[in-house]
Amino acid sequence: DIQMFQSPPTLSASVGDRVSIACRASQSISSWLAWYQQKPGKAPKLLITKASTVQSGVPSRFSGSGSGTEFTLTISSLQPDDSATYYCQQYNSYPETFGQGTKLEIK
Amino acid sequence: QVQLVESGGGVVQPGRSLRLSCAGSGFTFGNYGIHWVRQAPGKGLEWMALITYDGRNIYYEDSVKGRFTLSRDNSKNTVYLQMSSLRPEDTAVYYCAKSPRRDGSFLEYWGPGTLVTVSS
Repeated sequence: DIQMFQSPPTLSASVGDRVSIACRASQSISSWLAWYQQKPGKAPKLLITKASTVQSGVPSRFSGSGSGTEFTLTISSLQPDDSATYYCQQYNSYPETFGQGTKLEIK
Repeated sequence: QVQLVESGGGVVQPGRSLRLSCAGSGFTFGNYGIHWVRQAPGKGLEWMALITYDGRNIYYEDSVKGRFTLSRDNSKNTVYLQMSSLRPEDTAVYYCAKSPRRDGSFLEYWGPGTLVTVSS
């Protein structure tokens, strides 16, 4: 099974900051990686697919990059609404697997 | 618009069974794979299983293999998750989610989830 590792586990930043969350796969997954945002008590929301394709309706401050085993989610200018937990997920092979999540807090 | 709604959650004793349902609307249900993901209280997301569009192929994560069974009735736009031999560690919110393909891929749309509590 492919394991996904996210860092950092928690992140605290100020409005307007540029923040990045890393995701590493235990073996190559090409670009078959998605990012999700989850707020407390809610279902996750899809942000990015195929490592860098931002979904319709997602603010342009969100971007994704990487391929193979190393990936990054970047928020260019942090907004108060971005406070959430972020998960990466590989869909290269079954079982599909998630990273353990990164909790982003706004200072 | 695409909607998924889970139902069937509740409190169940260890060792007992429970069946969850996932009803879809707003899309041609029988053309897409459906995932199940769970989230234990205060924990992260755990992918559990996928059933392909026609129900012919099903993939499970090891921790539920042999205990959980997926099926679907496309005439009712519903996927079923039959859970047996439940354990306290199965306590979680259970989500179903639509794949953008006939089989697995990313999780495009999610239901709001249903809570399963395994406790005596």
